[in-house]
Order: sequence, then structure tokens, then C-alpha cells
Amino acid sequence: ETGVTQTPRHLVMGMTNKKSLKCEQHLGHNAMYWYKQSAKKPLELMFVYSLEERVENNSVPSRFSPECPNSSHLFLHLHTLQPEDSALYLCASSHRPGTGDYEKLFFGSGTQLSVL
Amino acid sequence: QKEVEQDPGPLSVPEGAIVSLNCTYSNSAFQYFMWYRQYSRKGPELLMYTYSSGNKEDGRFTAQVDKSSKYISLFIRDSQPSDSATYLCAMSLLPVISNFGNEKLTFGTGTRLTIIP
Repeated sequence: ETGVTQTPRHLVMGMTNKKSLKCEQHLGHNAMYWYKQSAKKPLELMFVYSLEERVENNSVPSRFSPECPNSSHLFLHLHTLQPEDSALYLCASSHRPGTGDYEKLFFGSGTQLSVL
Repeated sequence: QKEVEQDPGPLSVPEGAIVSLNCTYSNSAFQYFMWYRQYSRKGPELLMYTYSSGNKEDGRFTAQVDKSSKYISLFIRDSQPSDSATYLCAMSLLPVISNFGNEKLTFGTGTRLTIIP
């Protein structure tokens, strides 16, 4: 285990549902990330939080809503998703850059999302 | 043109063979290069991290960067069935230790590798 735990591992939802993905890190990191991984596409960064403040939002549709209540927890709230949103959603964490070494990303195992 | 091109494979080689995985890129400003390994149903994990051109070795793994050709490689010697995974290259303009450098990573699509016992 990498110290980054994601739940649920699998999620099937209809286009009108509302669901949330959860990520928890036990590494003492203070930066957390959401990535989307689709088949035959590169990893896409969605959101970055540092010290619970969002610092990056790569033009992600508003049907994805992140929340970072503290440095150990990260959520991705989902509503009215589209079938093309089906993908593996990965959470990652790292130390906030500037601590003196390469800030290695630690990924969770992801939530495999299917939107029907 | 994609910023980073990576042959998706799948690539199958017999155990003990030398494996060569490659990525090409279009942005000559990339300076920092990484290889991630992703096992089935797991998230990626960092395998190698290199700066600028040259080689870096870690056990059976060697990362090679040729900035003049905009080409990076990962070599795996004495390949083992446990090396079967998807390998992702990634690169960035800025040092990842700089302000929020991780969000500047550009990934390849990954190469799926199977080592046959």
C-alpha cells in the first residue's frame, strides 16, 4: 500500500445520480491531487490542493466538484455525469514543493467509475 | 501532434530479456523526465527520475534521456514476470521541487508490458 486510500474501488452510476469519491492519505503530505485516467489517453490532472487551498483547476466541467476539508482528506463530488466521464479516477498526494527534495507523487489505487 | 508520444503496446517478451521502452516528445523545453510503473488495478508509482540528458541507473533499470533527439528510454535488464505492468513516461518544464511542479507533468499514454515466464 502506498499510504493513499481511495473508496469506493468501483462505482456505477446513472447520469442523474449524485455520488462522491473519497481519498485519504496517511503520509503527512500537504498537497493532494485528482487525476483522470481514460483508456489510451494520458493522465489528466483535474485539481490540485495545497494546504487545503485549491491551486489548480484545469477547466474541469462543473459536474465535478472537489472538496478538501483538511490535508489528509480529499473528495470529488459527482453529479449529472455523462457516459464519457467513465474512467479511472486517481488521487495522489505529495509534500508541498520547497521542502528540499523531489516531491514524489504517491497515487492511490483509484476508483473505476462507470456512468450509464 | 501530441506533446508526448508513447507506443501503447502491448509488448510481450520472454523472462530474462532486455526490455526497451520509449517516449518521444515535441517540446524541447522539457527538462525533467520520469518513468512510472502501474500494475493492474493499482495507481502509478514512480520508478525513475532524471534531469536533462544522460543516463541514470537503479538496479535492473536504466533511464536514458537524449534531449537533442527529444527521446527518452527505460531499459529493464534481466526482466522478471513481476515487471509486467504499464509503464508511463512523464516530463515537465520546471523542476518538480519548484512551486507546485507536479501539476506541470505531461504524461504519455503508457506501454503495457508482459514478461512471459
